Amino acid sequence: GAVVSQHPSRVICKSGTSVKIECRSLDFQATTMFWYRQFPKQSLMLMATSNEGSKATYEQGVEKDKFLINHASLTLSTLTVTSAHPEDSSFYICSARDPQGVPPYEQYFGPGTRLTVT
Amino acid sequence: GENVEQHPSTLSVQEGDSAVIKCTYSDSASNYFPWYKQELGKGPQLIIDIRSNVGEKKDQRIAVTLNKTAKHFSLHITETQPEDSAVYFCAARSQGNLIFGKGTKLSVKP
Repeated sequence: GAVVSQHPSRVICKSGTSVKIECRSLDFQATTMFWYRQFPKQSLMLMATSNEGSKATYEQGVEKDKFLINHASLTLSTLTVTSAHPEDSSFYICSARDPQGVPPYEQYFGPGTRLTVT
Repeated sequence: GENVEQHPSTLSVQEGDSAVIKCTYSDSASNYFPWYKQELGKGPQLIIDIRSNVGEKKDQRIAVTLNKTAKHFSLHITETQPEDSAVYFCAARSQGNLIFGKGTKLSVKP
């Protein structure tokens, strides 16, 4: 299957600082990428959908000014957690839809980023 | 909107036995049903998927069945191995995003 990479895998930051997470589709061009958040022993919660070259669509309850998403190219999307607080500590996972083949298209996930805010 | 229910939440089997995980969905317009395996500390891995125009799909020890009338789909793992131990998520997609079940923690005891 297609490969999605994510960087960094782990990050620890101090409260009030900002953190950027990168997501890349390595062997395909992803017009649509997704950002999820996962709490321990829970399912994946969709935060936002980003389409290349346009503004991200945020799910209800997700603060767009706090979680900045940029999908500047067909292979790169970034999530910036601004003014991070301990409650933002979580496992963030990006995902990309592979537009090859016949729709509905397969969706692949990155390895995740463990964010810890101290 | 779509709602996906997944059962059981935990499943323990002996190595070599079969494991079955079941999901139901609510939106009859859903047309894509993937299954993901997630190991501890890692991202979900797509293991198999099925589209609404197909009733069954098999890939080695893994199979998925879809009953559109009843709006449920199932994952079947045969000859389970300890490395199959993980959390498995089902999902359904209609027009837009994937909606996930709450996951099943599968433990395969050697």
